[in-house]
Amino acid sequence: IAGITQAPTSQILAAGRRMTLRCTQDMRHNAMYWYRQDLGLGLRLIHYSNTAGTTGKGEVPDGYSVSRANTDDFPLTLASAVPSQTSVYFCASSDGLAGVSEQFFGPGTRLTVL
Amino acid sequence: GQNIDQPTEMTATEGAIVQINCTYQTSGFNGLFWYQQHAGEAPTFLSYNVLDGLEEKGRFSSFLSRSKGYSYLLLKELQMKDSASYLCAVMDSNYQLIWGAGTKLIIKP
Repeated sequence: IAGITQAPTSQILAAGRRMTLRCTQDMRHNAMYWYRQDLGLGLRLIHYSNTAGTTGKGEVPDGYSVSRANTDDFPLTLASAVPSQTSVYFCASSDGLAGVSEQFFGPGTRLTVL
Repeated sequence: GQNIDQPTEMTATEGAIVQINCTYQTSGFNGLFWYQQHAGEAPTFLSYNVLDGLEEKGRFSSFLSRSKGYSYLLLKELQMKDSASYLCAVMDSNYQLIWGAGTKLIIKP
């Protein structure tokens, strides 16, 4: 089934630990995104990638890093987790070559940092 | 700064019509999106407007006025399954989406 998968579905993490959230899409989309969603706030862009091999910083990049080694995968790493990173994380993708196009979202990862 | 405003919560009755408003101030404009998000799930695309006017898609319609920085999503013949949050997002001059906090729509029988 075409779409985006994320892993893990949820995670409880001790502060200071390193964590990688995984995201894979099989739609051959060029652009991929990582957002966090917190209660009462809109989705906020953490990092993005317009094509394999390139990445860019979004609105709230501090404490996070990404890589885009190939078209399908876009992992998000928290080098040393802090409680303020407790959130729901969504990965999304879009066909950037089609101009302005809708973003397709993965099911999300619910992360709690204690 | 960039800002998207929409009501926090609305309540409507099954079978009725509801209009969810969105106002925006962004650096540049490359279109406005509406997404639906059921509780605990991912957002899913509903509509895209880049020109002024009304776009109709079944029970859902979306309107845009670029001069007023204003859009609305109109839902007709409401069904219980329409209970969800509705997210307004504007694509800015850098082709990044700026998101509103969402409007939680509660449908009562």
